[in-house]
Amino acid sequence: NAGVTQTPKFRILKIGQSMTLQCAQDMNHNYMYWYRQDPGMGLKLIYYSVGAGITDKGEVPNGYNVSRSTTEDFPLRLELAAPSQTSVYFCASSYSAIGTGSGEEWEKLFFGSGTQLSVL
Amino acid sequence: DAKTTQPPSMDCAEGRAANLPCNHSTISGNEYVYWYRQIHSQGPQYIIHGLKNNETNEMASLIITEDRKSSTLILPHATLRDTAVYYCIVRHTGGFKTIFGAGTRLFVKA
Repeated sequence: NAGVTQTPKFRILKIGQSMTLQCAQDMNHNYMYWYRQDPGMGLKLIYYSVGAGITDKGEVPNGYNVSRSTTEDFPLRLELAAPSQTSVYFCASSYSAIGTGSGEEWEKLFFGSGTQLSVL
Repeated sequence: DAKTTQPPSMDCAEGRAANLPCNHSTISGNEYVYWYRQIHSQGPQYIIHGLKNNETNEMASLIITEDRKSSTLILPHATLRDTAVYYCIVRHTGGFKTIFGAGTRLFVKA
């Protein structure tokens, strides 16, 4: 399994340009996520999806759009790039299961290697 | 989801145990404690999780207090490669938003 694959690894955009960050997973996970990480900071959740055709906003969704037409792919779209969107973007998918003994569901996230985006 | 509090940084000598604390005083009964780590600029990596009982796997041990208001991640024999940011996360079961805080930056020194 390749796991979670993100492309491109690096990109420089001019202000106002648009682009799509690609994310694909081959683990047949239903749940997928997009995070951004500014320098020296923790990860912020942008959008997430619980299955094909279903997406929802995270902590910082403004300026981004997502779609989920297949289980495998979860692209992130930037329509009008702004300097504030300079960041490292991480895609993740997750596996969930019911805990033995507890009966409660737990979840394990798998992350891609990230896309470093600069908007100048 | 319950908020967590972690020290911003810690040091540990190579070969010694690294004990990383996490406070989650507002945790509720159906919320798991998760630990992830992020080495340099890589994507975060899952380490371990627990609900009530202490847990151990090939990477680490997780000790959860009886009242569940705090926990400790233990790396039994830290190596230089364990230098990373460690995130303690509390998330209720069935929820789909894993929220990361600032984490603890662990420096393992030779």
